[in-house]
Amino acid sequence: AQSVAQPEDQVNVAEGNPLTVKCTYSVSGNPYLFWYVQYPNRGLQFLLKYITGDNLVKGSYGFEAEFNKSQTSFHLKKPSALVSDSALYFCAVRDTQAGTALIFGKGTTLSVSS
Amino acid sequence: GAVVSQHPSRVICKSGTSVKIECRSLDFQATTMFWYRQFPKQSLMLMATSNEGSKATYEQGVEKDKFLINHASLTLSTLTVTSAHPEDSSFYICSASPWSVGSSEQYFGPGTRLTVT
Repeated sequence: AQSVAQPEDQVNVAEGNPLTVKCTYSVSGNPYLFWYVQYPNRGLQFLLKYITGDNLVKGSYGFEAEFNKSQTSFHLKKPSALVSDSALYFCAVRDTQAGTALIFGKGTTLSVSS
Repeated sequence: GAVVSQHPSRVICKSGTSVKIECRSLDFQATTMFWYRQFPKQSLMLMATSNEGSKATYEQGVEKDKFLINHASLTLSTLTVTSAHPEDSSFYICSASPWSVGSSEQYFGPGTRLTVT
């Protein structure tokens, strides 16, 4: 069975500092990995995904993530955090077979202070 | 980009009544749609997978007679919460996967906030 772990309920960083939101996964075979962001009472916004190829994936709003197969991790990073980055972040995984659902981590609340 | 809409965005209903939520893919055809449920400050939990023209596949613990799913066309799936109770109050989110071989994309609707009084 596929699963995703986000070990931190909350991450606090100061504006301008780098941020990391951690994600590890468990899946048989090769995974498709995703990061989404959710603002209060809103739907999910896609940030980035890893399908194949370069392990460093660049996404929206300056975010990037690195796929590490040996550590089964897909941590989300940004070099310089903004207050507007404060939101709930979800890591998700799905099987490579078409038509399969995303399995989400529990989410990590990012709080960026000015 | 691909757009998925949900209607209504918010609904308040009385206990015992039924509520229908629509999920539409506006600019692409979706053979598969997914319904998720999200409690406050928690993750999205997959409820069911909806395939056009066939019965939905429900996740363990989800009552198929309570949460009726219909995927009548390649652009529309509906979730009906029957005989709603206060514990059904939640944020319901749908997503749709385009009809193309090997597609990795999944597009999410904006969600529907259901409050049962």
